[in-house]
Amino acid sequence: EDQVTQSPEALRLQEGESSSLNCSYTVSGLRGLFWYRQDPGKGPEFLFTLYSAGEEKEKERLKATLTKKESFLHITAPKPEDSATYLCAHLTQGGSEKLVFGKGTKLTVNP
Amino acid sequence: EAGVVQSPRYKIIEKKQPVAFWCNPISGHNTLYWYRQNLGQGPELLIRYENEEAVDDSQLPKDRFSAERLKGVDSTLKIQPAELGDSAVYLCASSFRTSGSETQYFGPGTRLLVL
Repeated sequence: EDQVTQSPEALRLQEGESSSLNCSYTVSGLRGLFWYRQDPGKGPEFLFTLYSAGEEKEKERLKATLTKKESFLHITAPKPEDSATYLCAHLTQGGSEKLVFGKGTKLTVNP
Repeated sequence: EAGVVQSPRYKIIEKKQPVAFWCNPISGHNTLYWYRQNLGQGPELLIRYENEEAVDDSQLPKDRFSAERLKGVDSTLKIQPAELGDSAVYLCASSFRTSGSETQYFGPGTRLLVL
């Protein structure tokens, strides 16, 4: 069964303290690995899509990387406005195309 | 460009009452999704439309949930009758489906509380 597991469940950082969030997945064939950011009371906001091992994408202080079994979201010198829940998802194979999400990592960046 | 629009944003109802949610996708997006997100969980797909056709409704509890997408644009998700366990955030997403892995863009969601 396709699964996505995110760790840690929650992470507290001081402003400027870099860290990484992990997303491990078990899927027979990866069609895409997606990262979303979700603020309280809002819908998920698209960040990145990764398709193959070794691929990397960056946006401001965020960089997403992908291996054959996991993806990392690296946060460099975070600011309080980076506080949010970060969701990872993969797109299933075959006719039933849907995003399978992890439970997310709740990131809090203290000033 | 306007994003996915959903209404209402919040809804509080008594159990056994009906409720309906409305979604307007991003202009030009032919695929529309309804997800349900419980507290502390990631979204889970309820139904997917390609144009007017529901191509995946395997996760939709059909005894009480129904959905429609008339004219392949707006969509409505209905629950009748609502149960306490239906309290959740109902998210609508849309994408432009091509042969590859398309990106899904989400609306703000409707927060449902069933008392």
